[in-house]
Amino acid sequence: AQRVTQPEKLLSVFKGAPVELKCNYSYSGSPELFWYVQYSRQRLQLLLRHISRESIKGFTADLNKGETSFHLKKPFAQEEDSAMYYCALRVNSGYSTLTFGKGTMLLVSP
Amino acid sequence: DVKVTQSSRYLVKRTGEKVFLECVQDMDHENMFWYRQDPGLGLRLIYFSYDVKMKEKGDIPEGYSVSREKKERFSLILESASTNQTSMYLCASSLYTGELFFGEGSRLTVL
Repeated sequence: AQRVTQPEKLLSVFKGAPVELKCNYSYSGSPELFWYVQYSRQRLQLLLRHISRESIKGFTADLNKGETSFHLKKPFAQEEDSAMYYCALRVNSGYSTLTFGKGTMLLVSP
Repeated sequence: DVKVTQSSRYLVKRTGEKVFLECVQDMDHENMFWYRQDPGLGLRLIYFSYDVKMKEKGDIPEGYSVSREKKERFSLILESASTNQTSMYLCASSLYTGELFFGEGSRLTVL
């Protein structure tokens, strides 16, 4: 079965510092990877997906199949980036659901 | 914008009570999901549905059942609530199973 690992429960950085939220997965095939974000008192929402190869709110994530990773990065953190971030994986076959990691709380201090 | 509405934001129930959590989406999505969200455990899938009257077990279905009589509505039922079911419950819908649209959540406390 597939698995998503987010090794950090909490990541605390200062405003302007670079951010990297780690995500590793285990799956032998070709998965789809996603990052979801939940800001305080807001609903969980999609941040980005690897197939789009886009930058959202300054965040990027590259799928590294060799290292089975999909780390989320931002060069300069902002206070409004403080939130809970979940990495998720979807197996590319038929009716497959998302498998979520346990989440990383990002706190950006002024 | 897709709107997923969970009818109850906060509920307090007693052990053994039957609990209904309702979820409605307005975008004609085929797929609907129920997750529970717990600190340190992330999101765990309880049940999902790909069509009306169709349901599939997720990772933690024990103690739960679901109902999907209409395409827009997906209900989660706790037949006999227990304290270990105290949690945040998230409903989601999607056109395809990768991009989920979530509701605001229903926080259930079982005493």
